[in-house]
Amino acid sequence: AQTVTQSQPEMSVQEAETVTLSCTYDTSESDYYLFWYKQPPSRQMILVIRQEAYKQQNATENRFSVNFQKAAKSFSLKISDSQLGDAAMYFCACGRGGSEKLVFGKGMKLTVNP
Amino acid sequence: GAVVSQHPSWVICKSGTSVKIECRSLDFQATTMFWYRQFPKQSLMLMATSNEGSKATYEQGVEKDKFLINHASLTLSTLTVTSAHPEDSSFYICSAREVGSVHSRTQYFGPGTRLLVL
Repeated sequence: AQTVTQSQPEMSVQEAETVTLSCTYDTSESDYYLFWYKQPPSRQMILVIRQEAYKQQNATENRFSVNFQKAAKSFSLKISDSQLGDAAMYFCACGRGGSEKLVFGKGMKLTVNP
Repeated sequence: GAVVSQHPSWVICKSGTSVKIECRSLDFQATTMFWYRQFPKQSLMLMATSNEGSKATYEQGVEKDKFLINHASLTLSTLTVTSAHPEDSSFYICSAREVGSVHSRTQYFGPGTRLLVL
């Protein structure tokens, strides 16, 4: 069975600064994907970034980048130049090939202070 | 691209009635859709996987006769909460995977439906 762990329930960051959200996962699959989703107060789940496990290069999407450490089963999200609109719940998720089901972490609430 | 809609966004109903929630992929085709339930301040709990043209696959502990799922086309899946009771009150979210896309393993989420059963 897959598990995803987000050990920090809450974090805060000053506007314009950088913050890193941690996530570890466990899977026996060789073919899997990793995702970060954000859920603002509207509760709409928004894809932030995705990483294919077979790719060694860390994914980057504008101000968002990941540090994917496959051997350590770690998948952290770095948000640079934090903006007020980044305030949300962030969920790390792992999806395996075949069933395509996602397993989510418990989420982490990010507060951005002006 | 990759927009998923849900209808209704809000529903209040009396105990014992049935409620249907629609999930549509607006600009792509989805062979697989997923239905989740989310309690306040908690993560998403997968209820079932909906496959176009076949029966849904339910997660352990989810009553299939209680939560009826129909995926009649490549752009529409419906979740019907039958004989709803107050304990069914929750936030229901659907997601869809795009057919044939290089990112076909990515799930795109609808905005959710808040159900309140009185």
